[in-house]
Amino acid sequence: AQSVTQLDSQVPVFEEAPVELRCNYSSSVSVYLFWYVQYPNQGLQLLLKYLSGSTLVKGINGFEAEFNKSQTSFHLRKPSVHISDTAEYFCAVKARGGSNYKLTFGKGTLLTVNP
Amino acid sequence: DGGITQSPKYLFRKEGQNVTLSCEQNLNHDAMYWYRQDPGQGLRLIYYSQIVNDFQKGDIAEGYSVSREKKESFPLTVTSAQKNPTAFYLCASRAMSSYEQYFGPGTRLTVT
Repeated sequence: AQSVTQLDSQVPVFEEAPVELRCNYSSSVSVYLFWYVQYPNQGLQLLLKYLSGSTLVKGINGFEAEFNKSQTSFHLRKPSVHISDTAEYFCAVKARGGSNYKLTFGKGTLLTVNP
Repeated sequence: DGGITQSPKYLFRKEGQNVTLSCEQNLNHDAMYWYRQDPGQGLRLIYYSQIVNDFQKGDIAEGYSVSREKKESFPLTVTSAQKNPTAFYLCASRAMSSYEQYFGPGTRLTVT
């Protein structure tokens, strides 16, 4: 089984500051990794995903994440945030292989960008 | 435009009543999922279906039921046996060739 820990439940930052949202996972097998964003009262939208290849993954809206296998981490970063980035962010994992296509989600990090 | 529709956006029911949440997709995806979201709890999987007329229990299936009679539809019934049904419910779908799940806008259910 897999589990995901998002280390910060809330992250307040000022506009144009850099931000890092931390995600660690636990799994006995190799995994695929995802970051989703949820704006208030809406569904989730995929920001980026790591399936294989380069460990630095670029996504939409200027976000990127780095897969670190030794530290079992997949932290999300943005060099300069905007007010419009205020949302909840979810890290998710899926075990590689098999027919089980379940995603396991973390509990989310609420990013609040202040002017 | 292709996407996932969940209706209604807000739903109110009295305790003891069953209620059915709608989820329709026109993405031609084979797999569909139902999640429950509570504040600070992330998303928890209720049921999922990878093919018509077949579905599996997720992590918190007790008090819920589903059907998958058509590829594009995956309704969720919240029964009176669900002890704490007030939550935000999200439907998702996935193409068999992809690992990415696409989410609908959600239905907020309030039971009083």
